[in-house]
Amino acid sequence: EAGVTQSPTHLIKTRGQQATLRCSPISGHTSVYWYQQALGLGLQFLLWYDEGEERNRGNFPPRFSGRQFPNYSSELNVNALELEDSALYLCASSFFRGAYNEQFFGPGTRLTVL
Amino acid sequence: GENVEQHPSTLSVQEGDSAVIKCTYSDSASNYFPWYKQELGKRPQLIIDIRSNVGEKKDQRIAVTLNKTAKHFSLHITETQPEDSAVYFCAASTGNQFYFGTGTSLTVIP
Repeated sequence: EAGVTQSPTHLIKTRGQQATLRCSPISGHTSVYWYQQALGLGLQFLLWYDEGEERNRGNFPPRFSGRQFPNYSSELNVNALELEDSALYLCASSFFRGAYNEQFFGPGTRLTVL
Repeated sequence: GENVEQHPSTLSVQEGDSAVIKCTYSDSASNYFPWYKQELGKRPQLIIDIRSNVGEKKDQRIAVTLNKTAKHFSLHITETQPEDSAVYFCAASTGNQFYFGTGTSLTVIP
């Protein structure tokens, strides 16, 4: 069984540009979660999509947005990039069962904003 | 919202000793508590989890305990080995969102 995949592995942008990150969940999983992991910090929840709908979002500005496609893959868009957006962006997938959603993480996309 | 605190932030133990990492949470609605291990440059991997209707769960050298009244849960690693060296994250979930602790960097000294 293939795991969660993310692309690209690395992404270098300059301030003010837009970044698009992609995630493909494990086959059969309907939920995708996005997290930001800044250097030395924990995992900060960004967004949760399930069945094509945004279910919840963390405490991030609106320039962080995304969507989930009919095949359950997902895209994270970050507009008007700022230096502090530099981080590892992880996505995780799960099969939403209400209370207990075991999450499986992808390898991450390292975003560097210059 | 939920607030998860994790201690200690760094932990060094001698090979063969035990390691304990503690987390507290604030939302009594949280009912699922997974622990993840993240080796350097790799993705977080689930190592053990516990649900709110269980007080303790063990898997070989790893165990997790949950005290719902006190709102804290702990990870116990016995007979530590060098390959246990990694960053460990606890998390609490109500089903709608996962809240992660800030991580514990564990170093096992051979």
